[in-house]
Amino acid sequence: AQSVTQLDSQVPVFEEAPVELRCNYSSSVSVYLFWYVQYPNQGLQLLLKYLSGSTLVKGINGFEAEFNKSQTSFHLRKPSVHISDTAEYFCAVRGKTSYGKLTFGQGTILTVHP
Amino acid sequence: DVKVTQSSRYLVKRTGEKVFLECVQDMDHENMFWYRQDPGLGLRLIYFSYDVKMKEKGDIPEGYSVSREKKERFSLILESASTNQTSMYLCASAFDRVAYEQYFGPGTRLTVT
Repeated sequence: AQSVTQLDSQVPVFEEAPVELRCNYSSSVSVYLFWYVQYPNQGLQLLLKYLSGSTLVKGINGFEAEFNKSQTSFHLRKPSVHISDTAEYFCAVRGKTSYGKLTFGQGTILTVHP
Repeated sequence: DVKVTQSSRYLVKRTGEKVFLECVQDMDHENMFWYRQDPGLGLRLIYFSYDVKMKEKGDIPEGYSVSREKKERFSLILESASTNQTSMYLCASAFDRVAYEQYFGPGTRLTVT
């Protein structure tokens, strides 16, 4: 079984500042890792995913995440945020043998202030 | 573009009513999922289906059932709605069991009074 912990429930930042949203996971098997974003009144969409290979993964809208196996983390970063990045962000994990089944974290609400 | 649609954005039902939430995807995906989303709890998997007429329990199946009679449609059923089932319900689909991306619908906000 897998579990995911997002360490911050809310992150307020000012526009053009850098941001890091933290995610730690637990699993007894190798995993795939994902970040999803949910804009107000919308469903979730995939930001980026780590499957294998390079531990630094780039996604849409200038976001990137780094897989750290020793620390079982997959933190999401953006060097300069915009007002339009205001949304809720979810980290998710899937065991490599858990076909199709994602386990989500509790979510982090990112609020970007002007 | 993959499109996942859900029959209602907002729904208000009374305790004890039978409730149907419908989800349709237009990309011939094999896998479909039902989640509920609650503040501070993230998304929790209720049921999923990897083929027509096939279903598997997720993490919180109690009080729910599902139906998948056609590949494109996956229904979530609350046999007797209760107030603790007030939540946002999200449907998702994926090409197959190996697929890495799930595509989500806009959600149905269900209130049970």
